[in-house]
Amino acid sequence: DADVTQTPRNRITKTGKRIMLECSQTKGHDRMYWYRQDPGLGLRLIYYSFDVKDINKGEISDGYSVSRQAQAKFSLSLESAIPNQTALYFCATRERVGTEAFFGQGTRLTVV
Amino acid sequence: RKEVEQDPGPFNVPEGATVAFNCTYSNSASQSFFWYRQDCRKEPKLLMSVYSSGNEDGRFTAQLNRASQYISLLIRDSKLSDSATYLCVGRYGNDMRFGAGTRLTVKP
Repeated sequence: DADVTQTPRNRITKTGKRIMLECSQTKGHDRMYWYRQDPGLGLRLIYYSFDVKDINKGEISDGYSVSRQAQAKFSLSLESAIPNQTALYFCATRERVGTEAFFGQGTRLTVV
Repeated sequence: RKEVEQDPGPFNVPEGATVAFNCTYSNSASQSFFWYRQDCRKEPKLLMSVYSSGNEDGRFTAQLNRASQYISLLIRDSKLSDSATYLCVGRYGNDMRFGAGTRLTVKP
């Protein structure tokens, strides 16, 4: 089983719909992250959490929200999806800043 | 200007070739650097950390030049399995900033 699991793996949704992407990890790490990846732009940080109830905005948090329900779970929500949120989304965890990041397999989201 | 910039490539090389990628970073306060590998439609995975003195892992050598603010990755004796996108990553405080990646294709 993967150390970091994302669901769903693929999703097509309509503009204006609310959608949640879920992430769970078995590494036992406190730190969890959500990134999006767009062609030519690399991965950009959306939100991160260092512990349950700790939420921090990243580089591009507008239009997104997150919830850290437990140490192992970190979910990302798009309250009202728009087409420019079409991207590949990755969840990641790391033991501490500067150490190896372990990524989930990604969620390919298309907003039509 | 992006904080971490890479030549997007693509680099197309024959098996056995030596290939080098460079990456520049804009924030001199960046504390540590890494190279990640990403296969098509897959998640990034750590290839190697980059140390100030330079470091080697088998066919891979990473170097950091703080004065010129660039890091490099050298791959010797390229294998078909090295075909992937290589991401340069710099640590900035609590965040990691990723380059857009350099695409490498190794051909028979």
